[in-house]
Amino acid sequence: GQQLNQSPQSMFIQEGEDVSMNCTSSSIFNTWLWYKQDPGEGPVLLIALYKAGELTSNGRLTAQFGITRKDSFLNISASIPSDVGIYFCAGQLLDGQNFVFGPGTRLSVLP
Amino acid sequence: EAQVTQNPRYLITVTGKKLTVTCSQNMNHEYMSWYRQDPGLGLRQIYYSMNVEVTDKGDVPEGYKVSRKEKRNFPLILESPSPNQTSLYFCASSLSGAVETQYFGPGTRLLVL
Repeated sequence: GQQLNQSPQSMFIQEGEDVSMNCTSSSIFNTWLWYKQDPGEGPVLLIALYKAGELTSNGRLTAQFGITRKDSFLNISASIPSDVGIYFCAGQLLDGQNFVFGPGTRLSVLP
Repeated sequence: EAQVTQNPRYLITVTGKKLTVTCSQNMNHEYMSWYRQDPGLGLRQIYYSMNVEVTDKGDVPEGYKVSRKEKRNFPLILESPSPNQTSLYFCASSLSGAVETQYFGPGTRLLVL
């Protein structure tokens, strides 16, 4: 089936640093979603993107829908300890059918 | 408080022993869905339901059953669990079925020995 790759798989950063992660595929998508999953909790939607090139912010989080429609990026500025968790992307293929979920990027923030 | 609840949260069982994971939502949502999450693979949809008495297979339905007798409940049934069904399971619900509007439950971690 379709696959999404997320990079990096995991990262350790210092509190206050900015974070960048991405989601890539060989297929073209018409919607990108970014979620955060806290330990022991279900995923929570952070940002939804619907157009190529779209840049959307949610507080310290900014996500972009790649121009090629095959990738998306998530940036977190000035990280804080509560940013710890798994961030994963989901994309909807052009046929408008099911979403494909990425495997996630595990973020650890060191005080 | 609007929420999706799952029970149990953790379960250890043995191969072949039937089990049911319950899912309940208090938001009067029509659409409900079950996913499994495995390392390196991301969420994969098992079954979904657009409304009461309407259920459809997702991407990985083999070995699972569901039922939707009431709008608020969507139990996941493993008639004869096998070790490859060891996973983290999430239930989700939404008003419209749009993925971006889904509320996820807290997850059920299942270990099949």
